[in-house]
Amino acid sequence: DQQVKQNSPSLSVQEGRISILNCDYTNSMFDYFLWYKKYPAEGPTFLISISSIKDKNEDGRFTVFLNKSAKHLSLHIVPSQPGDSAVYFCAASPIIQGAQKLVFGQGTRLTINP
Amino acid sequence: DAEITQSPRHKITETGRQVTLACHQTWNHNNMFWYRQDLGHGLRLIHYSYGVQDTNKGEVSDGYSVSRSNTEDLPLTLESAASSQTSVYFCASSESGDRGTEAFFGQGTRLTVV
Repeated sequence: DQQVKQNSPSLSVQEGRISILNCDYTNSMFDYFLWYKKYPAEGPTFLISISSIKDKNEDGRFTVFLNKSAKHLSLHIVPSQPGDSAVYFCAASPIIQGAQKLVFGQGTRLTINP
Repeated sequence: DAEITQSPRHKITETGRQVTLACHQTWNHNNMFWYRQDLGHGLRLIHYSYGVQDTNKGEVSDGYSVSRSNTEDLPLTLESAASSQTSVYFCASSESGDRGTEAFFGQGTRLTVV
């Protein structure tokens, strides 16, 4: 049972345009969401997060949107740059005192074309 | 700078052998995790620990064990390696508490079981 789903295995976007990566979740107990970026032969690195009390969080070119009623979140990258080419993982966590673990989606491979 | 390191980076072993993958973090984090990454599955949780002497099973724990004798280390042992355990393994750590669950990942260990 995949609790966090990224239904697009890959996405190709022109440099300078907007990249939109999507993620759906099923567990109502999730209330903290994160995006990680992964380059080949490296570990995932944290990109941006959002708490369930918000519906938007912005950090430079990266914005995450959360729609709790639809159990859907998305990551927007504007403008897209060649260095953004990587695999992006969506992750979710329930906030329980002292008991935190991340559940990841399958990942979306983003390719930015010059 | 604080970091999390995994060793070895690459390992080839034979079916039936016992293998131990090392993970060492200098963040002084209470939470530590082991994930495996496989195509189409994203990152799946194997085992996790919320502190010294605490260990818990994740979603794909069969055939794996961990021990936590100090804050810094969480070694992962494959008791009798199987070809299905060929994968890339990532160790991660995070702070405990209600601040959210950003986890820091190691660079990964690529394990091949032949």
